[in-house]
Amino acid sequence: SQQGEEDPQALSIQEGENATMNCSYKTSINNLQWYRQNSGRGLVHLILIRSNEREKHSGRLRVTLDTSKKSSSLLITASRAADTASYFCATTTGNTPLVFGKGTRLSVIA
Amino acid sequence: GAGVSQSPSNKVTEKGKDVELRCDPISGHTALYWYRQSLGQGLEFLIYFQGNSAPDKSGLPSDRFSAERTGGSVSTLTIQRTQQEDSAVYLCASSYGPQRGDTQYFGPGTRLTVL
Repeated sequence: SQQGEEDPQALSIQEGENATMNCSYKTSINNLQWYRQNSGRGLVHLILIRSNEREKHSGRLRVTLDTSKKSSSLLITASRAADTASYFCATTTGNTPLVFGKGTRLSVIA
Repeated sequence: GAGVSQSPSNKVTEKGKDVELRCDPISGHTALYWYRQSLGQGLEFLIYFQGNSAPDKSGLPSDRFSAERTGGSVSTLTIQRTQQEDSAVYLCASSYGPQRGDTQYFGPGTRLTVL
């Protein structure tokens, strides 16, 4: 069953703009992870945020987590054409498999 | 070091035939996962191996699907009597720790097309 749901399903922006993607989930979690997928192939791990954390940064990525609202956001600043990909959130509750959402398709137009 | 590798990268087969998909995880990773991704969809969990423990097969969609992991390393996913709805990208991932919520490292996937 789908735990995380990304919003929007698709996003198109100009190079240099910021991109914000949201993820909502239903049950309490231990951690939430964001992954990127290029061209429908393997996923690449971007960032992990634990349930007791509220914000994490990695380069141009900023992730926030609001456990009271059961939601997370991924912000990509100063986007580049190379950021074009699908972005997935994945959650885990204790020792359970990661459950992935359907993803947000981001298109960055040069 | 080397990442997760999968073979073949593409497989086209006829309905009713059996297929085997292979995954070589990152050396030292104790956990291995198989997922399926249909076009435009998220990842569907299939099966999870952790060390010598019995695998979690709860995600396998039917008894036509099976998987094994030999020597705690290489894994093979077998689909018997393939159906057209089996067409998808099959992704393998491995992780270092025993917790299923650990960061997973994905292979490039095998795109299976059943005609």
